[in-house]
Amino acid sequence: DTGVSQDPRHKITKRGQNVTFRCDPISEHNRLYWYRQTLGQGPEFLTYFQNEAQLEKSRLLSDRFSAERPKGSFSTLEIQRTEQGDSAMYLCASSLASYQETQYFGPGTRLLVL
Amino acid sequence: GIQVEQSPPDLILQEGANSTLRCNFSDSVNNLQWFHQNPWGQLINLFYIPSGTKQNGRLSATTVATERYSLLYISSSQTTDSGVYFCAVERGETSGSRLTFGEGTQLTVNP
Repeated sequence: DTGVSQDPRHKITKRGQNVTFRCDPISEHNRLYWYRQTLGQGPEFLTYFQNEAQLEKSRLLSDRFSAERPKGSFSTLEIQRTEQGDSAMYLCASSLASYQETQYFGPGTRLLVL
Repeated sequence: GIQVEQSPPDLILQEGANSTLRCNFSDSVNNLQWFHQNPWGQLINLFYIPSGTKQNGRLSATTVATERYSLLYISSSQTTDSGVYFCAVERGETSGSRLTFGEGTQLTVNP
């Protein structure tokens, strides 16, 4: 069990550029979550997949954000036309649908928009 | 949505001291997890505890679901316990949805 991995770990970009992050969940997990964390706050939910279906999206997920999980394995989160307010830690978590479901988090991608 | 409040916001201890962190939530939950976020940002699972009591080494947790609170106990604290502790809950009666996090307790353990 290798845990949840995320790539890249850090990203610096200029305002207006597009960025894409990748998350690889724990291999047998069928649920995958994206969260965003700003400095001094707890993580906030963005979106959630069960297998390849995107089942829930937060109102935080503006039209500039899109997430996919094309084969029910890894997921990508794309931010178009980045803004300085997008600077945050983007966290991915995965879980196995079960009675006592625990979400396991990856190390995060830290985004800085200049 | 569900509200999650953690207290205290900040806690400074001497190595060897004990501490209690509290998490209050505003609605019934079917999932409650405690996490420790290390200085590099990694969220480390401590407990899955929607109800009852669990212990793992120097850490233990108790959730009283009917009264909508959970407590995390840290005994004989060590400098490596420093970091932010988050409580997160999932609302509802079935699993598979968002976790709502509190704002965390920043713990500093001094040698």
